[in-house]
Amino acid sequence: DGGITQSPKYLFRKEGQNVTLSCEQNLNHDAMYWYRQDPGQGLRLIYYSQIVNDFQKGDIAEGYSVSREKKESFPLTVTSAQKNPTAFYLCASRREYSNQPQHFGDGTRLSIL
Amino acid sequence: GQQVMQIPQYQHVQEGEDFTTYCNSSTTLSNIQWYKQRPGGHPVFLIQLVKSGEVKKQKRLTFQFGEAKKNSSLHITATQTTDVGTYFCAGVGIYNQGGKLIFGQGTELSVKP
Repeated sequence: DGGITQSPKYLFRKEGQNVTLSCEQNLNHDAMYWYRQDPGQGLRLIYYSQIVNDFQKGDIAEGYSVSREKKESFPLTVTSAQKNPTAFYLCASRREYSNQPQHFGDGTRLSIL
Repeated sequence: GQQVMQIPQYQHVQEGEDFTTYCNSSTTLSNIQWYKQRPGGHPVFLIQLVKSGEVKKQKRLTFQFGEAKKNSSLHITATQTTDVGTYFCAGVGIYNQGGKLIFGQGTELSVKP
């Protein structure tokens, strides 16, 4: 979806290193989401935010952190505490308080060096 | 917690054959959404079903929502090679917080020409 930009497309992490994945949207959506996708497991929710300066843990938040200082931006940090970070990370956004679907970015593929 | 099960995990068909994927939720859903993810791509929204017993069609694709609003199916008639990808259902619980989607594991469809 052209309105959500994730960067970088590919990212490599060294042992003990924190890395930050960027997600920016220009759709004026209130809610933003981070998912992790592993083969055969579908999408699992890491964190979500319904409004600026507020966010909630999803199903697999351990080892991750987020911030929502601006409506347009919802960066995800994969910390060194996340022992198995290799995955495809997807950011999504949605207009809040409606039945609107989520719109996804192109994703970031994170690998361990 | 709420779970959405999707079967089969993989389906290989000859071009021209039909294909069906099934979704079953552990709890009653407010609505269910279907997404398609092409290989190497991100999920793209296909359709949303809201009403009990609802049936919607998009060309060769037929989507159904069960009477109890706990199950759904996607049927593709006469598959084509362009149908290749992984199809996900995603449910929104009736006591939903923040528009969270619970994704099924997905059905990966391959079509042999």
